Amino acid sequence: GAVVSQHPSRVICKSGTSVKIECRSLDFQATTMFWYRQFPKKSLMLMATSNEGSKATYEQGVEKDKFLINHASLTLSTLTVTSAHPEDSSFYICSARSPGTQYFGPGTRLLVL
Amino acid sequence: GESVGLHLPTLSVQEGDNSIINCAYSNSASDYFIWYKQESGKGPQFIIDIRSNMDKRQGQRVTVLLNKTVKHLSLQIAATQPGDSAVYFCAERDGGSQGNLIFGKGTKLSVKP
Repeated sequence: GAVVSQHPSRVICKSGTSVKIECRSLDFQATTMFWYRQFPKKSLMLMATSNEGSKATYEQGVEKDKFLINHASLTLSTLTVTSAHPEDSSFYICSARSPGTQYFGPGTRLLVL
Repeated sequence: GESVGLHLPTLSVQEGDNSIINCAYSNSASDYFIWYKQESGKGPQFIIDIRSNMDKRQGQRVTVLLNKTVKHLSLQIAATQPGDSAVYFCAERDGGSQGNLIFGKGTKLSVKP
């Protein structure tokens, strides 16, 4: 199947700093990518839909100024958690839509101290 | 609330037995369904999908059944192996090919040796 990568896989940062997570589709072009957040033992929660060349579409309750999304190319989307706080600690997973289906990245574990 | 749910939150099976994981969905307009497997600390991995114009699809050791009459989806795993231990999510897509995925809550499958 198609491959989606994320970097970094784990990050620990101090409260108040910003963290950037990259999502890449390695063997296909994705005009649409998605960012999810997952709490322990819970299902995936869609945060936003990232469209190449246009603004991201955020789900209700997700602060767009807090979670900045940039989809600069057909293979790269970035999520920046600005001024991170301990409550932002979570597992962030990106996904890329390929024709007919959707593939997920391995996730990024964020811990804010 | 979520439109996709699972009948059993946990499932424990003996190695070598067959496993059946169930999922109910409520949106009769959903046209596409996917099963994902998520191992601890990793992103969801595509297992198998099925379109609404089909009622059965088989893969390697896995079969997905779709019953549109009762809006029920199931994943059957033949000869379950310890490596199958994971959380399994069903997802439905609404809105056609550009629709978003809606995830169920997940079923944890534990395989006893």
